[in-house]
Amino acid sequence: EDKVVQSPLSLVVHEGDTVTLNCSYEVTNFRSLLWYKQEKKAPTFLFMLTSSGIEKKSGRLSSILDKKELFSILNITATQTGDSAVYLCAVEDGNTGFQKLVFGTGTRLLVSP
Amino acid sequence: DVKVTQSSRYLVKRTGEKVFLECVQDMDHENMFWYRQDPGLGLRLIYFSYDVKMKEKGDIPEGYSVSREKKERFSLILESASTNQTSMYLCASSSLVRGPYNEQFFGPGTRLTVL
Repeated sequence: EDKVVQSPLSLVVHEGDTVTLNCSYEVTNFRSLLWYKQEKKAPTFLFMLTSSGIEKKSGRLSSILDKKELFSILNITATQTGDSAVYLCAVEDGNTGFQKLVFGTGTRLLVSP
Repeated sequence: DVKVTQSSRYLVKRTGEKVFLECVQDMDHENMFWYRQDPGLGLRLIYFSYDVKMKEKGDIPEGYSVSREKKERFSLILESASTNQTSMYLCASSSLVRGPYNEQFFGPGTRLTVL
């Protein structure tokens, strides 16, 4: 059975800190890994990773995938209170004929001023 | 920008009622999905559809049905609501065409409480 595990479950940091969120997965036929940010409403897309070792970057956020060790990390540098959210990791299983995503339970990040 | 809208943000229903949750997307996406999100369990796929009138079961379809009569609209139906269906329901859509970013776009969610 496909599985995505995120750690830590929750995290409290001070503004300006750097945080690393972890996502490990087991999936029979890996196609891609996605990161989403969820505040009080719709999850919003951050990154899609398909290849090992290639860092994706957007402002203070970056992510990298290791397909050999089956994990990904999401880094946030110089955190701001607006980064407070639940960060979701999802893996696409290529075995199905459609875009099936398996989600982790998320990491809840709180950035205090 | 892709917009996925859901008919209600909050809904309170009684056990045994028939409940309709509506989702509309404006990007001509072929794929549409219904998830429920519960603490400690993450998002779980209920049903998805890849075309009008086509539907496939996800991981937890029991107690739910869906309808897709038009490409932009995907409805989730709870035939007889039960308290264990109290949850946050999220709709999503995506393009069938594979590209560099093939992410699913999510609606704001409907928080359903069944009393």
